[in-house]
Amino acid sequence: NAGVMQNPRHLVRRRGQEARLRCSPMKGHSHVYWYRQLPEEGLKFMVYLQKENIIDESGMPKERFSAEFPKEGPSILRIQQVVRGDSAAYFCASADQGSGFTEAFFGQGTRLTVV
Amino acid sequence: DQQVKQNSPSLSVQEGRISILNCDYTNSMFDYFLWYKKYPAEGPTFLISISSIKDKNEDGRFTVFLNKSAKHLSLHIVPSQPGDSAVYFCAARDDYKLSFGAGTTVTVRA
Repeated sequence: NAGVMQNPRHLVRRRGQEARLRCSPMKGHSHVYWYRQLPEEGLKFMVYLQKENIIDESGMPKERFSAEFPKEGPSILRIQQVVRGDSAAYFCASADQGSGFTEAFFGQGTRLTVV
Repeated sequence: DQQVKQNSPSLSVQEGRISILNCDYTNSMFDYFLWYKKYPAEGPTFLISISSIKDKNEDGRFTVFLNKSAKHLSLHIVPSQPGDSAVYFCAARDDYKLSFGAGTTVTVRA
Protein backbone atom coordinates (compact mmCIF):
# COMPACT_ATOMS: atom_id res chain seq x y z
CA ASN A 1 0.00 0.00 0.00
CA ALA A 2 3.02 2.30 -0.08
CA GLY A 3 1.88 3.47 -3.51
CA VAL A 4 -1.14 5.38 -2.19
CA MET A 5 0.08 8.55 -0.54
CA GLN A 6 -1.97 10.46 2.00
CA ASN A 7 -1.00 13.69 3.65
CA PRO A 8 -0.79 14.93 6.19
CA ARG A 9 -0.46 11.84 8.39
CA HIS A 10 -1.69 13.77 11.39
CA LEU A 11 -3.83 16.88 11.41
CA VAL A 12 -4.98 18.89 14.40
CA ARG A 13 -7.72 21.45 13.96
CA ARG A 14 -9.69 23.62 16.35
CA ARG A 15 -13.45 23.45 16.26
CA GLY A 16 -14.80 25.58 13.43
CA GLN A 17 -11.68 25.37 11.25
CA GLU A 18 -11.40 23.61 7.91
CA ALA A 19 -9.57 20.33 7.37
CA ARG A 20 -8.13 19.33 3.99
CA LEU A 21 -6.99 15.76 3.48
CA ARG A 22 -5.07 14.76 0.37
CA CYS A 23 -4.75 11.46 -1.41
CA SER A 24 -2.57 10.59 -4.37
CA PRO A 25 -3.62 7.21 -5.82
CA MET A 26 -1.28 4.57 -7.11
CA LYS A 27 0.18 5.26 -10.51
CA GLY A 28 -2.31 4.34 -13.19
CA HIS A 29 -5.29 4.19 -10.85
CA SER A 30 -8.18 6.47 -11.70
CA HIS A 31 -10.60 5.37 -8.98
CA VAL A 32 -10.41 6.69 -5.45
CA TYR A 33 -12.37 5.78 -2.34
CA TRP A 34 -12.50 7.54 1.00
CA TYR A 35 -13.25 5.66 4.18
CA ARG A 36 -13.51 6.83 7.77
CA GLN A 37 -12.68 4.85 10.86
CA LEU A 38 -14.09 6.15 14.10
CA PRO A 39 -12.54 4.95 17.37
CA GLU A 40 -13.44 1.31 18.11
CA GLU A 41 -15.29 0.97 14.80
CA GLY A 42 -14.65 -0.49 11.38
CA LEU A 43 -14.11 1.30 8.10
CA LYS A 44 -17.13 3.21 6.83
CA PHE A 45 -17.50 4.08 3.16
CA MET A 46 -17.76 7.79 2.47
CA VAL A 47 -17.34 8.51 -1.21
CA TYR A 48 -16.19 7.00 -4.50
CA LEU A 49 -14.68 9.19 -7.19
CA GLN A 50 -13.26 8.88 -10.64
CA LYS A 51 -11.28 11.63 -12.27
CA GLU A 52 -13.47 14.76 -12.25
CA ASN A 53 -16.55 12.77 -11.23
CA ILE A 54 -18.24 11.87 -7.98
CA ILE A 55 -19.77 8.45 -8.56
CA ASP A 56 -21.20 7.68 -5.13
CA GLU A 57 -21.23 9.96 -2.12
CA SER A 58 -23.89 8.09 -0.19
CA GLY A 59 -21.62 7.71 2.85
CA MET A 60 -20.77 11.38 3.14
CA PRO A 61 -22.49 13.54 5.75
CA LYS A 62 -24.81 15.91 3.92
CA GLU A 63 -23.26 19.04 5.37
CA ARG A 64 -19.70 20.30 5.80
CA PHE A 65 -18.09 17.40 3.89
CA SER A 66 -17.05 17.50 0.24
CA ALA A 67 -14.67 15.58 -1.99
CA GLU A 68 -13.08 16.09 -5.36
CA PHE A 69 -10.70 14.30 -7.66
CA PRO A 70 -9.53 16.77 -10.28
CA LYS A 71 -8.05 15.93 -13.63
CA GLU A 72 -4.64 16.87 -12.31
CA GLY A 73 -3.46 16.47 -8.74
CA PRO A 74 -4.58 14.52 -5.71
CA SER A 75 -8.05 13.77 -4.46
CA ILE A 76 -9.12 16.13 -1.69
CA LEU A 77 -11.50 15.44 1.18
CA ARG A 78 -12.60 18.73 2.71
CA ILE A 79 -14.33 19.12 6.04
CA GLN A 80 -15.59 22.58 6.86
CA GLN A 81 -16.28 23.89 10.35
CA VAL A 82 -14.94 20.77 12.01
CA VAL A 83 -16.49 19.46 15.21
CA ARG A 84 -15.09 17.05 17.80
CA GLY A 85 -17.11 14.20 16.31
CA ASP A 86 -15.08 14.50 13.11
CA SER A 87 -12.00 13.20 14.93
CA ALA A 88 -11.17 9.93 13.20
CA ALA A 89 -8.76 8.21 10.88
CA TYR A 90 -9.53 8.89 7.23
CA PHE A 91 -8.28 6.36 4.72
CA CYS A 92 -8.03 6.69 0.99
CA ALA A 93 -7.91 3.68 -1.30
CA SER A 94 -7.35 3.43 -5.03
CA ALA A 95 -8.20 0.79 -7.59
CA ASP A 96 -7.45 0.43 -11.26
CA GLN A 97 -11.09 0.09 -12.20
CA GLY A 98 -14.50 0.48 -10.67
CA SER A 99 -16.38 -2.73 -11.18
CA GLY A 100 -14.23 -5.79 -11.31
CA PHE A 101 -11.28 -4.71 -9.23
CA THR A 102 -9.91 -7.54 -7.14
CA GLU A 103 -8.24 -5.46 -4.49
CA ALA A 104 -8.09 -1.87 -3.41
CA PHE A 105 -4.86 -0.40 -2.12
CA PHE A 106 -5.01 1.79 0.94
CA GLY A 107 -2.91 4.68 2.07
CA GLN A 108 -1.63 5.01 5.61
CA GLY A 109 -4.41 7.34 6.57
CA THR A 110 -4.76 10.82 8.00
CA ARG A 111 -5.57 11.04 11.68
CA LEU A 112 -7.67 14.09 12.29
CA THR A 113 -7.95 15.41 15.82
CA VAL A 114 -10.36 18.23 16.55
CA VAL A 115 -9.62 20.13 19.74
CA ASP B 1 -27.20 -1.06 8.07
CA GLN B 2 -24.27 -3.37 8.68
CA GLN B 3 -24.08 -5.69 5.68
CA VAL B 4 -20.79 -7.28 6.77
CA LYS B 5 -20.43 -8.46 10.33
CA GLN B 6 -17.51 -9.72 12.32
CA ASN B 7 -19.06 -10.79 15.58
CA SER B 8 -15.84 -11.52 17.43
CA PRO B 9 -14.05 -8.29 18.29
CA SER B 10 -10.97 -10.12 19.51
CA LEU B 11 -9.18 -13.44 19.32
CA SER B 12 -6.22 -14.71 21.33
CA VAL B 13 -4.26 -17.69 20.05
CA GLN B 14 -1.03 -19.40 20.97
CA GLU B 15 1.87 -19.23 18.56
CA GLY B 16 1.88 -22.22 16.23
CA ARG B 17 -1.84 -22.88 16.59
CA ILE B 18 -4.62 -22.09 14.13
CA SER B 19 -6.43 -18.74 14.08
CA ILE B 20 -9.96 -18.81 12.71
CA LEU B 21 -11.69 -15.53 11.95
CA ASN B 22 -15.33 -15.43 10.97
CA CYS B 23 -17.41 -13.07 8.89
CA ASP B 24 -21.11 -13.01 7.99
CA TYR B 25 -22.84 -10.97 5.33
CA THR B 26 -26.39 -10.18 4.34
CA ASN B 27 -26.17 -8.81 0.79
CA SER B 28 -26.54 -11.58 -1.79
CA MET B 29 -25.19 -9.21 -4.47
CA PHE B 30 -21.68 -9.40 -3.06
CA ASP B 31 -19.53 -11.14 -5.66
CA TYR B 32 -16.06 -10.90 -4.19
CA PHE B 33 -14.72 -11.11 -0.67
CA LEU B 34 -11.45 -9.84 0.71
CA TRP B 35 -9.51 -9.91 3.94
CA TYR B 36 -7.36 -6.99 4.99
CA LYS B 37 -4.82 -6.83 7.79
CA LYS B 38 -4.15 -3.64 9.70
CA TYR B 39 -1.40 -2.69 12.11
CA PRO B 40 -1.80 0.31 14.42
CA ALA B 41 -1.20 3.67 12.75
CA GLU B 42 -1.06 2.07 9.31
CA GLY B 43 -3.52 1.58 6.49
CA PRO B 44 -5.14 -1.78 5.77
CA THR B 45 -3.14 -4.10 3.57
CA PHE B 46 -4.66 -6.71 1.32
CA LEU B 47 -4.23 -10.27 2.52
CA ILE B 48 -6.32 -12.71 0.51
CA SER B 49 -9.54 -12.79 -1.49
CA ILE B 50 -12.10 -15.16 -2.91
CA SER B 51 -14.61 -14.97 -5.71
CA SER B 52 -18.20 -15.89 -4.99
CA ILE B 53 -17.95 -18.74 -7.49
CA LYS B 54 -15.38 -20.50 -5.37
CA ASP B 55 -15.52 -22.00 -1.90
CA LYS B 56 -11.86 -22.01 -0.97
CA ASN B 57 -8.71 -20.06 -1.71
CA GLU B 58 -5.33 -20.78 -0.21
CA ASP B 59 -2.18 -18.69 -0.09
CA GLY B 60 0.60 -19.98 2.08
CA ARG B 61 -0.50 -19.95 5.70
CA PHE B 62 -3.76 -18.22 4.84
CA THR B 63 -6.91 -19.93 3.61
CA VAL B 64 -10.29 -18.35 3.07
CA PHE B 65 -13.45 -20.44 2.99
CA LEU B 66 -16.76 -19.26 1.58
CA ASN B 67 -20.17 -20.77 2.34
CA LYS B 68 -22.59 -18.91 0.10
CA SER B 69 -25.70 -20.66 1.34
CA ALA B 70 -24.89 -19.58 4.86
CA LYS B 71 -23.56 -16.19 3.76
CA HIS B 72 -20.48 -16.89 5.80
CA LEU B 73 -16.77 -16.78 5.22
CA SER B 74 -13.80 -17.53 7.39
CA LEU B 75 -10.07 -16.93 7.36
CA HIS B 76 -7.74 -19.60 8.68
CA ILE B 77 -4.17 -18.77 9.61
CA VAL B 78 -1.97 -21.74 10.34
CA PRO B 79 0.44 -21.78 11.99
CA SER B 80 -0.11 -18.45 13.74
CA GLN B 81 2.97 -16.30 14.21
CA PRO B 82 3.65 -13.28 16.45
CA GLY B 83 3.71 -11.01 13.38
CA ASP B 84 0.11 -11.99 12.69
CA SER B 85 -1.01 -9.91 15.68
CA ALA B 86 -3.12 -7.20 14.04
CA VAL B 87 -6.69 -6.20 13.26
CA TYR B 88 -8.28 -8.21 10.46
CA PHE B 89 -11.09 -6.77 8.38
CA CYS B 90 -13.45 -8.75 6.24
CA ALA B 91 -14.69 -6.87 3.16
CA ALA B 92 -17.23 -7.65 0.47
CA ARG B 93 -17.60 -6.12 -2.98
CA ASP B 94 -20.85 -5.10 -4.62
CA ASP B 95 -20.05 -3.61 -8.03
CA TYR B 96 -17.56 -0.85 -7.16
CA LYS B 97 -18.06 -0.57 -3.43
CA LEU B 98 -16.30 -2.41 -0.63
CA SER B 99 -18.23 -2.86 2.61
CA PHE B 100 -16.18 -3.67 5.69
CA GLY B 101 -16.80 -5.47 8.93
CA ALA B 102 -15.83 -3.90 12.23
CA GLY B 103 -12.66 -5.97 12.48
CA THR B 104 -11.25 -8.69 14.73
CA THR B 105 -8.15 -8.00 16.79
CA VAL B 106 -5.88 -11.04 16.79
CA THR B 107 -3.25 -11.48 19.48
CA VAL B 108 -0.75 -14.28 19.04
CA ARG B 109 0.78 -15.35 22.37
CA ALA B 110 4.32 -16.69 22.51
